Amino acid sequence: GDSVTQMEGPVTLSEEAFLTINCTYTATGYPSLFWYVQYPGEGLQLLLKATKADDKGSNKGFEATYRKETTSFHLEKGSVQVSDSAVYFCALFSGGYNKLIFGAGTRLAVHP
Amino acid sequence: EPEVTQTPSHQVTQMGQEVILRCVPISNHLYFYWYRQILGQKVEFLVSFYNNEISEKSEIFDDQFSVERPDGSNFTLKIRSTKLEDSAMYFCASSEVGARNYGYTFGSGTRLTVV
Repeated sequence: GDSVTQMEGPVTLSEEAFLTINCTYTATGYPSLFWYVQYPGEGLQLLLKATKADDKGSNKGFEATYRKETTSFHLEKGSVQVSDSAVYFCALFSGGYNKLIFGAGTRLAVHP
Repeated sequence: EPEVTQTPSHQVTQMGQEVILRCVPISNHLYFYWYRQILGQKVEFLVSFYNNEISEKSEIFDDQFSVERPDGSNFTLKIRSTKLEDSAMYFCASSEVGARNYGYTFGSGTRLTVV
């Protein structure tokens, strides 16, 4: 079935460092891809999305590009802040299953 | 910005008791979902609901679980006889037509603790 694989965390960075969180997917057809963020004690918030190949989603300095050839949707940010500390979930919407399927999540800790 | 509202934020219950988790989806959304997240683990799909009926459910969603939209605004998840392993964060979500383009809007979750 459809699935999402994320790099294991935690990822620990210093403030202003470059961030990459890897995400790859397996899906039949052409899924839409999402990144959700969960700040401590809070729910899941949509961070960015891409609905077709080569689309780039971006929000709050984060970016991810839908790469069909490598079935990837890696999350990047050029300069992280302490306030970016959270758990990041990659997800796909599979029309075949008609639901969002999440990866395991990657915890990011940013230190001053 | 429209929100999905969940109540209560935290529920403690004794094993074997029934619990009802409540959600108010965004008013013009047509699709409703429940997910759960056991502490520190993956966010898992439980059930989707459309047009007053379940459209899909996971293996987790066994006979202990039920969902209902009793009054056109609330969307509830009932667990009939709770087990220790039901302890988790339960998230409600809703989406409009075209979820593949917009994703889901999630509530803040209900933390269920079964003791």
